[in-house]
Amino acid sequence: EDQVTQSPEALRLQEGESSSLNCSYTVSGLRGLFWYRQDPGKGPEFLFTLYSAGEEKEKERLKATLTKKESFLHITAPKPEDSATYLCAAYNQAGTALIFGKGTTLSVSS
Amino acid sequence: NAGVTQTPKFRVLKTGQSMTLLCAQDMNHEYMYWYRQDPGMGLRLIHYSVGEGTTAKGEVPDGYNVSRLKKQNFLLGLESAAPSQTSVYFCASGDLTNEKLFFGSGTQLSVL
Repeated sequence: EDQVTQSPEALRLQEGESSSLNCSYTVSGLRGLFWYRQDPGKGPEFLFTLYSAGEEKEKERLKATLTKKESFLHITAPKPEDSATYLCAAYNQAGTALIFGKGTTLSVSS
Repeated sequence: NAGVTQTPKFRVLKTGQSMTLLCAQDMNHEYMYWYRQDPGMGLRLIHYSVGEGTTAKGEVPDGYNVSRLKKQNFLLGLESAAPSQTSVYFCASGDLTNEKLFFGSGTQLSVL
């Protein structure tokens, strides 16, 4: 069964305290691993797509990496505005629909 | 450019009532999706469409029906609402590369 699992469920950081979010997947024939950000009361917003092990992508304080079984979202020197729920997703085997993890809710305090 | 627009934004139903949620996209996308999001459950796929006139079941399709009569619109119907269908519903669309999805702002539905 295709599955995407995220950990931790919640993460509280102080401003400037770097950390990583984990996403493990059991999708056969990975066709893309996606990271989205979701703010309260809003729809998810696209951040990154990773296609192959070893690939990395960066955007401001965020860097996403991919291995054969996991993806990590590294947050360097976070700011309060980085507080949000971060969702990981992968395509199903047919490549027609995204399967989402339950998300990691990040809170950054100043 | 509105992107993905969902209507209504909020709705309260009584058990057994019916309603239709409308999703409209102005990006000429082939793929459209309906997800529901519940606390602790994440986003779960209800139904999706890979093109005008086509629909397919997702992970949690029971109690819902969909139609894609026009490429830009994807309708989600509840024929007889149940309290278990209380949730936030999100519509999303993507192009043929499906490299990323664009989401609407959601519909908060409460079934009493």
